[in-house]
Amino acid sequence: DAGVIQSPRHEVTEMGQEVTLRCKPISGHNSLFWYRQTMMRGLELLIYFNNNVPIDDSGMPEDRFSAKMPNASFSTLKIQPSEPRDSAVYFCASTLGWSTEAFFGQGTRLTVV
Amino acid sequence: TQLLEQSPQFLSIQEGENLTVYCNSSSVFSSLQWYRQEPGEGPVLLVTVVTGGEVKKLKRLTFQFGDARKDSSLHITAAQPGDTGLYLCAGAKTGNTPLVFGKGTRLSVIA
Repeated sequence: DAGVIQSPRHEVTEMGQEVTLRCKPISGHNSLFWYRQTMMRGLELLIYFNNNVPIDDSGMPEDRFSAKMPNASFSTLKIQPSEPRDSAVYFCASTLGWSTEAFFGQGTRLTVV
Repeated sequence: TQLLEQSPQFLSIQEGENLTVYCNSSSVFSSLQWYRQEPGEGPVLLVTVVTGGEVKKLKRLTFQFGDARKDSSLHITAAQPGDTGLYLCAGAKTGNTPLVFGKGTRLSVIA
């Protein structure tokens, strides 16, 4: 298996623009997580899905953030409009079960200027 | 407030030295995991501990879960430059809750 695949690896955008991050989980995994990592706050859980259904989005910082999982093999995290404080590395992870080993993608490094 | 507190935040040591890093919480966890993250990559699982007092060894790495299942430690013997990275602990309160991560300990082993 290729593992969790995220795209793009790097994204530089101007403040106010829409940003869409993409994730393909490991085939057969039924839980998907979106995390944001910064030096100040570490790895923060934004939202997670179980069997494609959003379970808890209380970690999403603002209404500017939204996430979807239209099918078992694809998820998106959208920021609209983006702001400089959204600059961070965004990780997608998938698991087989809630708290079993989390397999992470390589992350998307987002820079909003 | 961070649910899992890791210490120290940063650690720089010479090759061959021993070290211990800690992961502490006031909450009880059903399981606790340790991950290592290298620059430009996502975290990768090292070990999972589930039983209070459990000790697991992975070559030169020794992991311990506290008796009360609130804390854990990672001990590295004879550190090598290849051990350099960010060490993260992650816990699940129950079998049906997602992992929460500590901020990590950033280890640098100098040759």
